[in-house]
Amino acid sequence: SAVISQKPSRDICQRGTSLTIQCQVDSQVTMMFWYRQQPGQSLTLIATANQGSEATYESGFVIDKFPISRPNLTFSTLTVSNMSPEDSSIYLCSAHRASGGEQYFGPGTRLTVT
Amino acid sequence: KQEVTQIPAALSVPEGENLVLNCSFTDSAIYNLQWFRQDPGKGLTSLLLIQSSQREQTSGRLNASLDKSSGRSTLYIAASQPGDSATYLCAVSPNQAGTALIFGKGTTLSVSS
Repeated sequence: SAVISQKPSRDICQRGTSLTIQCQVDSQVTMMFWYRQQPGQSLTLIATANQGSEATYESGFVIDKFPISRPNLTFSTLTVSNMSPEDSSIYLCSAHRASGGEQYFGPGTRLTVT
Repeated sequence: KQEVTQIPAALSVPEGENLVLNCSFTDSAIYNLQWFRQDPGKGLTSLLLIQSSQREQTSGRLNASLDKSSGRSTLYIAASQPGDSATYLCAVSPNQAGTALIFGKGTTLSVSS
């Protein structure tokens, strides 16, 4: 298995500011993903964090709003830029090893934008 | 486009009861299927992973089955306990290893003592 940690666990931010969320995996993984879970909803994929290249974004999500970095095989960051109350969600990082196929999730970052 | 549906959306049972959660998916070309547990305000805990070539997986009181051809999976929980109260999410991986998961909306389970 893989153990994933996220920082911060929660934050309350002002409208118009930005927040960077960190995701650390305890071992090297092939794929890392960022999901959003809006209140009362299931998980929606934001992007795939590619090591050494630009992230791959899903429809409805853009790099200017959600810039992602992945400098190595164990670490990634997601920035939520120019925040609005609609960005209030839980943001989850996940990781995947090619062998086995199981995906592991971090504890999530609960973001509230006021 | 793959869609995952979970029924029921919510379920309340008394302690000790056996129960079944249902998951269906529209495209049978999946790589695997995972069941997760999510406690309120928390992240996801992986419960069971079923590869597309498998029919079922068991872990303790949990048993998950997969009928890929009909696009269905069930999660069976035996002798439910109040600690089982959580939201259970079903997710499928498209027909390629390493891709992101597609989630259902979950079943929120409440087990009363």
